[in-house]
Amino acid sequence: AQSVTQLDSHVSVSEGTPVLLRCNYSSSYSPSLFWYVQHPNKGLQLLLKYTSAATLVKGINGFEAEFKKSETSFHLTKPSAHMSDAAEYFCVVRSKAAGNKLTFGGGTRVLVKP
Amino acid sequence: DAGVIQSPRHEVTEMGQEVTLRCKPISGHDYLFWYRQTMMRGLELLIYFNNNVPIDDSGMPEDRFSAKMPNASFSTLKIQPSEPRDSAVYFCASRTGRGAYGYTFGSGTRLTVV
Repeated sequence: AQSVTQLDSHVSVSEGTPVLLRCNYSSSYSPSLFWYVQHPNKGLQLLLKYTSAATLVKGINGFEAEFKKSETSFHLTKPSAHMSDAAEYFCVVRSKAAGNKLTFGGGTRVLVKP
Repeated sequence: DAGVIQSPRHEVTEMGQEVTLRCKPISGHDYLFWYRQTMMRGLELLIYFNNNVPIDDSGMPEDRFSAKMPNASFSTLKIQPSEPRDSAVYFCASRTGRGAYGYTFGSGTRLTVV
């Protein structure tokens, strides 16, 4: 079985300050991990993905995430938040042990204050 | 590449009516997924196809739901009869099975059953 826990349902940051979205996963085998972003009334857009290569993954729009196997974490960060980063973010895990299904976290809604 | 195309974008229907949601995957992608997103349950996988064949439909809530993929470029998700609790955003996603791990999602169909 695999699962994903996003530790914060809401995160509020000021524009220009760092963003940290926390994600912990559980998986029997080496997983693939993803972060998706969903803007209001829009579909899901892939930010970045980890697939057993470099543990520090750089994505679009200045986001990056670090895979830490010992902590079973895949936290998403950005050094400086922009107003356009206001959206909902989903951490996702996929593994062969779970039939290659995607399991989504509950989502973290990010509010960016001017 | 136009991405994954879903239609309609919005659907409002009366309880008891049949609803058909449509999806056109990215050309060359051999996996197609249907997801449902609600506030209460987050994102749930309903069914997925590989090479037009349904592989896992364990997420389909009940017999009122059915999905087909008659060819590589088209899939439908049908609800008959529809109920208010079916109100949600339904996403279609596709991916290739050849080494790429990213999923491309459509913009979703927002279904409201009154």
